[in-house]
Amino acid sequence: GAVVSQHPSRVICKSGTSVKIECRSLDFQATTMFWYRQFPKQSLMLMATSNEGSKATYEQGVEKDKFLINHASLTLSTLTVTSAHPEDSSFYICSASIAGQLNEQFFGPGTRLTVL
Amino acid sequence: DQQVKQNSPSLSVQEGRISILNCDYTNSMFDYFLWYKKYPAEGPTFLISISSIKDKNEDGRFTVFLNKSAKHLSLHIVPSQPGDSAVYFCAASKGSAGNMLTFGGGTRLMVKP
Repeated sequence: GAVVSQHPSRVICKSGTSVKIECRSLDFQATTMFWYRQFPKQSLMLMATSNEGSKATYEQGVEKDKFLINHASLTLSTLTVTSAHPEDSSFYICSASIAGQLNEQFFGPGTRLTVL
Repeated sequence: DQQVKQNSPSLSVQEGRISILNCDYTNSMFDYFLWYKKYPAEGPTFLISISSIKDKNEDGRFTVFLNKSAKHLSLHIVPSQPGDSAVYFCAASKGSAGNMLTFGGGTRLMVKP
């Protein structure tokens, strides 16, 4: 149980294009989903927290117009990197938490984004 | 300001011996701590957790110790196995913030056969 999937697992795109990454909770309803970014040899950096049906809460320094997050249902959240640039190349990981079960997040397998 | 720190970026241990990974935190409001294991190009997987009302939690080869007065926790792996080689992240949360986790910088563990 508590499986989180991400799609795609790897994407290469040209500079200036937009890329959408999906995060799904497969066997549970996730009231809250989190999006992280990991640079090489660095820790996970929380980008934003999204609750189903409401606007995402972005961490300081994260551009909300560049990283669009939509949490339309209890099993799906999407992260769209708009007008991607090479510096957006990174490993993006989502996680989901179950309503009523505090303090635990279930992580997706991550998406490697490379912007040429 | 890093609220959760893992001061050792890497650790090398011989197979069969004990691996001890350390984590320090500064925010006294943290009341729940977790350890995650991560392989390259994969998401973290949950290992073990501990509530601030406890000082020890054990699960098989993994034991987490919490010293609240020192704001320090450690993960012990005994015996260490080559498959344990990965990056280990400690994370902390505070009840008032729901499920939001603050991660340390990670420690790369290498278990040599």
